[in-house]
Amino acid sequence: SFALAQPPSVSVAPGQTATITCGGNKIGSKSVHWYRQKPGEAPVMVVFDDTARPSGIPERISGANAANTATLTISTVDAGDEADYYCQVWDSDSDHWFFGGGTKLTVL
Amino acid sequence: EVQLLESGGDWVQPGESQRLSCAASGFTFSDYAMAWVRQAPGKGLEWVATISGTGRASYYPGSLKGRFAISRDNSKNTLYLQMNSLRAGDTALYYCAKHRSLGNFGSWGPGVLVTVSS
Repeated sequence: SFALAQPPSVSVAPGQTATITCGGNKIGSKSVHWYRQKPGEAPVMVVFDDTARPSGIPERISGANAANTATLTISTVDAGDEADYYCQVWDSDSDHWFFGGGTKLTVL
Repeated sequence: EVQLLESGGDWVQPGESQRLSCAASGFTFSDYAMAWVRQAPGKGLEWVATISGTGRASYYPGSLKGRFAISRDNSKNTLYLQMNSLRAGDTALYYCAKHRSLGNFGSWGPGVLVTVSS
């Protein structure tokens, strides 16, 4: 098993920067992926392989990963960014996939 | 455009079985591993199963191995999830997902609800 720890909630004012963390033992040695899930919708991948963005995801969404913490950063936040955000890794040794518990981003 | 559409969700009693299907289009189905991910009401995401593109390899979390079985029919571009001995704790929205690479889930269907209750 590979535990991923996310804060349950993050709040930020419009126009500010939101930072969502994902903690795990030596997570920096794994590729981390991030998903955004708006109410009533399916998840959408917003970052893969730590820092890469799928097509259609704006540059103001970025990822980083080192040591025991991966980070998703959303700059110039607006109401449309309100959602639950999940980190995810694949443990290739066990061929198991793990999700963090999710972080609810609230735009004040 | 990748499209995934789940079906087969229903209300079932504890102990019963249910099979979910996921119709895929917009990509070469057999080239990609596929997965099921579920989400209990008000809870987070939980990986349920993954199957390789050929269907020869499948993977499950220990908590579900033996009760759930993932399969695919590449001639029909369809993914399946057979769920047996269902419990109340299996109540969830079940998503079909396409692996972008083996490590992540690049596309998701809208999900199908399975309710296990007496």
